[in-house]
Amino acid sequence: EAGVTQFPSHSVIEKGQTVTLRCDPISGHDNLYWYRRVMGKEIKFLLHFVKESKQDESGMPNNRFLAERTGGTYSTLKVQPAELEDSGVYFCASSQDLAGVGEQYFGPGTRLTVT
Amino acid sequence: GENVEQHPSTLSVQEGDSAVIKCTYSDSASNYFPWYKQELGKRPQLIIDIRSNVGEKKDQRIAVTLNKTAKHFSLHITETQPEDSAVYFCAVYGGATNKLIFGTGTLLAVQP
Repeated sequence: EAGVTQFPSHSVIEKGQTVTLRCDPISGHDNLYWYRRVMGKEIKFLLHFVKESKQDESGMPNNRFLAERTGGTYSTLKVQPAELEDSGVYFCASSQDLAGVGEQYFGPGTRLTVT
Repeated sequence: GENVEQHPSTLSVQEGDSAVIKCTYSDSASNYFPWYKQELGKRPQLIIDIRSNVGEKKDQRIAVTLNKTAKHFSLHITETQPEDSAVYFCAVYGGATNKLIFGTGTLLAVQP
């Protein structure tokens, strides 16, 4: 069974441009999470989908970030327009456990560099 | 909200020695405490977890202890090997926030 996949693995864009990150969770996992790690800091929660619904988006930094999960399968995270402080590694994770207590399976991450 | 502190930020040990990483949290209602390991260039992976009704859990060379009164938990790795070298993240779930709150990570280097 394939694990969580993310595309692209790396993205270098200029300030003001738009970038869209994609996450394909493990098949059958209703829960999908987005996280971000800025160098040297914690892995920070961004938002949580249950199927196609946003369960919790309290970690989204601002309205330049838009996440979607149409059809409850893969998810996209769009940053528009990108700023320098958006640089970091964006992780996606999925899980089966609806209660939230249980293993989250992480993707390999997308390293975003905004110059 | 929940605050998770992790120490040390870097840890270097000799092969065969033990390594201990500690995390403290602020929300006494938190009930789930996983540890993730991220090897260089790879994805974070769960290595062990503990729930609030348990004080200690062991899996081969890895153990986690939880002190609910003091609100801290620790990862213990015995007989360290070079392949244990990685960044280790603690996390906390539950209480007022139904999401995983991670620590800042510990870079463990095991010297052969």
